[in-house]
Amino acid sequence: GESVGLHLPTLSVQEGDNSIINCAYSNSASDYFIWYKQESGKGPQFIIDIRSNMDKRQGQRVTVLLNKTVKHLSLQIAATQPGDSAVYFCAEKGNQFYFGTGTSLTVIP
Amino acid sequence: NAGVMQNPRHLVRRRGQEARLRCSPMKGHSHVYWYRQLPEEGLKFMVYLQKENIIDESGMPKERFSAEFPKEGPSILRIQQVVRGDSAAYFCASSPPGTASQTQYFGPGTRLLVL
Repeated sequence: GESVGLHLPTLSVQEGDNSIINCAYSNSASDYFIWYKQESGKGPQFIIDIRSNMDKRQGQRVTVLLNKTVKHLSLQIAATQPGDSAVYFCAEKGNQFYFGTGTSLTVIP
Repeated sequence: NAGVMQNPRHLVRRRGQEARLRCSPMKGHSHVYWYRQLPEEGLKFMVYLQKENIIDESGMPKERFSAEFPKEGPSILRIQQVVRGDSAAYFCASSPPGTASQTQYFGPGTRLLVL
């Protein structure tokens, strides 16, 4: 079956630095990908999405990169802030949405 | 414009009791999804519903679990005869009609604890 996994389960960065969170997916037929942020005790919050016909999409302080050749997705957060501390999930859309385990981002003031 | 609403936020049940979780999608959304999340784990798909129809229930256990999304009212995830292994956070998500808009918006979740 499909699986989505993350390279790093935890990530610590200094406030103001850029963060990069990676995600590998296995279903080459997936055509839609989303990054979610989940703070403790809350539901996942949509951050940014990208379709398979694109390789880069930018939002406010966030950029998602998609490399279909190696089935890799990344989330870049510019000028990371303490409020960015959370667990970040990538999700791929095949027949249904599949979520990775998540990467816990800690921002050090 | 209210987001996805779930209630209760916390639910405690004893083994053998029934748990009933409710989800009200965002206004205008006709697709509802239920997910389960264990501590330190990702979200696991359970079921996808549209109004009065179950579209995909491949992630939902065949026994004790059921879901509905009636024409009027919230979507209900029902767990009968709960066991300790059912303890988890259950999240509901909704999305607008149409296949082009696939983004799912999540509710705050219901945390079920089975004693």
